[in-house]
Amino acid sequence: EDQVTQSPEALRLQEGESSSLNCSYTVSGLRGLFWYRQDPGKGPEFLFTLYSAGEEKEKERLKATLTKKESFLHITAPKPEDSATYLCAVGTSGTYKYIFGTGTRLKVLA
Amino acid sequence: DVKVTQSSRYLVKRTGEKVFLECVQDMDHENMFWYRQDPGLGLRLIYFSYDVKMKEKGDIPEGYSVSREKKERFSLILESASTNQTSMYLCASSLSQTFYGNQPQHFGDGTRLSIL
Repeated sequence: EDQVTQSPEALRLQEGESSSLNCSYTVSGLRGLFWYRQDPGKGPEFLFTLYSAGEEKEKERLKATLTKKESFLHITAPKPEDSATYLCAVGTSGTYKYIFGTGTRLKVLA
Repeated sequence: DVKVTQSSRYLVKRTGEKVFLECVQDMDHENMFWYRQDPGLGLRLIYFSYDVKMKEKGDIPEGYSVSREKKERFSLILESASTNQTSMYLCASSLSQTFYGNQPQHFGDGTRLSIL
């Protein structure tokens, strides 16, 4: 069965304390891995797409990487405004569906 | 930027009512999706559409139906609302798959629906 698991469920960081969020997946044929940021009461905001192992994408303090089994979202020197829930999702071959993880709730303290 | 607009941010309805949630996207996307999001359960797919008048059931279609008469508009219908349909409803759209793979979904800000 196709599955996406995110860890940790919640993470508290001090401002400037770098860390990584994990998204591990088991799917029959990966057709893209997607990272989103979701603020309370709002819809997910698209961050990155990764298609193949070894690929990396960067935006400000965020960097996403992909291996054959997992993806990491690295947050460098986070600020309080980076506090949000981060979701990952995968697209799989033979279907229009996307499989979402349950997210990591990140809190960055000033 | 892609814009996905959901007609209401907050909605309160009574059990047994027929409820319509509307979603419009402005980027000519082929695919449109309806999800509900509940604490601890994540995003669950209700229905999706890959073309006008085409629809497919997602993982939890019971009690819902959809309509896509125009490419830019995708409606979710609760035939007879029940309290267990109280939730956050999210609409998303995406381009069709390319050679590389699926395209990212873009979401609206959601409708928080309460059924009393």
